[in-house]
Amino acid sequence: GNSVTQMEGPVTLSEEAFLTINCTYTATGYPSLFWYVQYPGEGLQLLLKATKADDKGSNKGFEATYRKETTSFHLEKGSVQVSDSAVYFCALHGSSNTGKLIFGQGTTLQVKP
Amino acid sequence: EADIYQTPRYLVIGTGKKITLECSQTMGHDKMYWYQQDPGMELHLIHYSYGVNSTEKGDLSSESTVSRIRTEHFPLTLESARPSHTSQYLCASSEVVGGAYSYEQYFGPGTRLTVT
Repeated sequence: GNSVTQMEGPVTLSEEAFLTINCTYTATGYPSLFWYVQYPGEGLQLLLKATKADDKGSNKGFEATYRKETTSFHLEKGSVQVSDSAVYFCALHGSSNTGKLIFGQGTTLQVKP
Repeated sequence: EADIYQTPRYLVIGTGKKITLECSQTMGHDKMYWYQQDPGMELHLIHYSYGVNSTEKGDLSSESTVSRIRTEHFPLTLESARPSHTSQYLCASSEVVGGAYSYEQYFGPGTRLTVT
């Protein structure tokens, strides 16, 4: 079946450091891939998405490229801020019309001043 | 900006009480979902609905029940709350974006339930 694996957290970085959160997936067909972010005490918000191979999603300085050859969708940001501290979820939607997402286990990012 | 609402945001209740967590969306989405989020932050799908009068159990077994009488409303009910039900509950809805199978989910702010 479909699955998503994220790197384990917590990830602790200093402000302005480079961020990578790894995400790999297993899926049949051509899934759509997403990164969601959850700030403390809130629900999940869509951060970025990619719907086909080689697409790059980007938002708020974050980027991720849909790599079908390595089944990966790693999240990157060149210079993190304290306000980026949150939990990040990688997710996929498979080739169906259910709308159901498969989520990774989440990675907590803490950015220190 | 997604318009999906959950009430209450926080609830502390005693064992054995019946509770209903409310979820409403104003976007006209047919598909809606309930997730349970454990302290380690992992999300577990407990219920979903494809439309009015359609409900299915999710991947994680739950003692809660849901109903979908109106498109915009998807409440979750616990007939007799127990401490093991203490968790964060997130409601979501989805729509197709772009291609035929490209869905995007929108989440409410969540209800943090504590059963004492």
